[in-house]
Amino acid sequence: DIQMTQSPSTLSASVGDRVTITCRASQSVGFWLAWYQQKPGKAPNLLIYKASTLEGGVPSRFSGSGSGTEFTLTISSLQPDDFATYYCQQYNSYVWTFGQGTKVEIK
Amino acid sequence: QITLKESGPTLVKPTQTLTLTCSFSGFSLSTSGVGVGWIRQPPGKALEWLARIYWDDDKRYSPSLKSRLTIIKDTSKNQVVLTMTNMDPVDTATYYCAHNRRGFFDLWGQGTLVTVSS
Repeated sequence: DIQMTQSPSTLSASVGDRVTITCRASQSVGFWLAWYQQKPGKAPNLLIYKASTLEGGVPSRFSGSGSGTEFTLTISSLQPDDFATYYCQQYNSYVWTFGQGTKVEIK
Repeated sequence: QITLKESGPTLVKPTQTLTLTCSFSGFSLSTSGVGVGWIRQPPGKALEWLARIYWDDDKRYSPSLKSRLTIIKDTSKNQVVLTMTNMDPVDTATYYCAHNRRGFFDLWGQGTLVTVSS
């Protein structure tokens, strides 16, 4: 199975900060990576797919980059609504896996 | 508008079989490229992909749970059913079904919390 490792596990930031979350795959997944945002008690919400394609309706302050084994999710200017947990997911193989999550907290 | 909703028991006993139903609207599982998947999340923990089924009845399972899982679709009822055998307290989690677009999940149900306890 392909293992997905996110860093950091927790991130403390302030409104307006630029935030970067990293997701590393144990083997190449090409561009087949998605990012999700999850708020407490809610289902995850798709932000980005195919590593860098923004899902419709997602604010442009979110962006994704990377390929192969290393990917990043960047929030250009953190907003109050962005405090949440973020997950990456690879879908390169027939077996899909999520990262362990990165919690973005208020500093 | 695509919607999905999970249903099933909220409490199961250890060793029992869990059956969850995902009822959806706004799309057809007979349309090429469309799939439905199941994902779970233990309280306070990360998401875990369980299984998925595609329009052509192609099915895939998490290797660690493959022996316990079965996923089927009923296209006429717009439903996908997941069964998990031999439930254990560690299987306590919120179970989500989600619409799958060739690998990623673009729309999710609200989730259903299943507790495994005697």
